Amino acid sequence: AQSVTQPDIHITVSEGASLELRCNYSYGATPYLFWYVQSPGQGLQLLLKYFSGDTLVQGIKGFEAEFKRSQSSFNLRKPSVHWSDAAEYFCAVVFSWGKLQFGAGTQVVVTP
Amino acid sequence: DAGVTQSPTHLIKTRGQQVTLRCSPKSGHDTVSWYQQALGQGPQFIFQYYEEEERQRGNFPDRFSGHQFPNYSSELNVNALLLGDSALYLCASSLGASGGQETQYFGPGTRLLVL
Repeated sequence: AQSVTQPDIHITVSEGASLELRCNYSYGATPYLFWYVQSPGQGLQLLLKYFSGDTLVQGIKGFEAEFKRSQSSFNLRKPSVHWSDAAEYFCAVVFSWGKLQFGAGTQVVVTP
Repeated sequence: DAGVTQSPTHLIKTRGQQVTLRCSPKSGHDTVSWYQQALGQGPQFIFQYYEEEERQRGNFPDRFSGHQFPNYSSELNVNALLLGDSALYLCASSLGASGGQETQYFGPGTRLLVL
């Protein structure tokens, strides 16, 4: 069955520290991969996406993600977190024709 | 350039009632998708409209229906509301029908509370 898993429900990180959010998928081929961020009371904002080519993808707000086919993973990273990065992050996958399937999300808390 | 807009922002209904939510896509976009996001969960795909037809549908009952107008705007209708329909309803727009590569841009959502 096709699935998207974000193993970490909640992550706490200190301001200035690095951040890595995990995303794994289950699918027989390489799907289209996305990371979105949602601030409280807001809609979803696209951070970055991967379709093919270079497996390291740069996004907005200093985020990057690496696609690893062998691990069926698409982890999101940021070298130095700012307080404004506190939000919920969703990994999403398109398995078929524009139907985005989201993970359960990871809540990121940034401490001073 | 206006992004995706949704109305209303908030809505309170009682069980059994019917509700209509509206979405205007980003300028130039012709495809609209609807998602339901329950509290503490990721968005769940409801359906997608392209060229005024429902192209894809998720695992939602027939109580959920939609429509797309010639100007590409869209409505989501939910009949016979249940308490479990309380959620944030998100609309996303995209361009074209290239099989999934198109990026979906989301609106701010409509928060529905069913009492």
